[in-house]
Amino acid sequence: GIQVEQSPPDLILQEGANSTLRCNFSDSVNNLQWFHQNPWGQLINLFYIPSGTKQNGRLSATTVATERYSLLYISSSQTTDSGVYFCAGWGSNDYKLSFGAGTTVTVRA
Amino acid sequence: GAVVSQHPSRVICKSGTSVKIECRSLDFQATTMFWYRQFPKKSLMLMATSNEGSKATYEQGVEKDKFLINHASLTLSTLTVTSAHPEDSSFYICSARDFTSNNEQFFGPGTRLTVL
Repeated sequence: GIQVEQSPPDLILQEGANSTLRCNFSDSVNNLQWFHQNPWGQLINLFYIPSGTKQNGRLSATTVATERYSLLYISSSQTTDSGVYFCAGWGSNDYKLSFGAGTTVTVRA
Repeated sequence: GAVVSQHPSRVICKSGTSVKIECRSLDFQATTMFWYRQFPKKSLMLMATSNEGSKATYEQGVEKDKFLINHASLTLSTLTVTSAHPEDSSFYICSARDFTSNNEQFFGPGTRLTVL
C-alpha cells in the first residue's frame, strides 16, 4: 500500500487558536479520508476528499492530488477538538486504506 | 453519515478462551468490511479484509487460525479470537465500506479486549 506521512505528530493549542495538519502520500490516491479519534476510541469521519476543498463548520480540508498532499484546517479550536487526527487513503492498485501515524491535538482552555 | 456498530465494547476473558466480536452496518449494506487492531498511542493496523460470502483476506503476519472472520451477510461480520492469550489484548476496530457513497469507510466504536 501507499505510505502516509502526517505532520506534526503533536500539537498543543490554546482555545481559540487556528491550526493546520498535513498529510503527504507516497503515491496518487483514489480515496482520501480524514478522521478524528475521540478519547473513547471512536473514529469519526470528518471528510472524504480525494481532491478539492471542503468545509464543515470550523473544519475545512484541501487535497492537492497532483502534489500528493492534503491539509486539514481547524479554526477557533475548542477543547472538544482534542484527540488524534488521522488521514488515510488508498492508491490505484490497492483498495485498502493506509493510515498515517496521526496527529495528537490537545486544546487547552 | 453511515453508522457501524460493534459489540461488545469491552470484554475481559481468561487465557485460553475464545471471544467473538460482532460488527454491523446499521443503515447500509457492506459487501466489504475490515478489521483493524490498534495498540496504545499507535495507528490502526489492518488485520484482514472481509467480503460477504467469501473467505477473508488476511494481512501478512496475521494468523488466520487465531483470528477467525466470518461475513455471512451484507450487514454483519464477526471476528473470533480463538484461544486468547494476554498478548492478544488490544483495541479491535471494525470498518465497513459504503459502495453507494464513493466507497467511503465508516468505523465502529471499537472493542477493548483484555485477556487475563
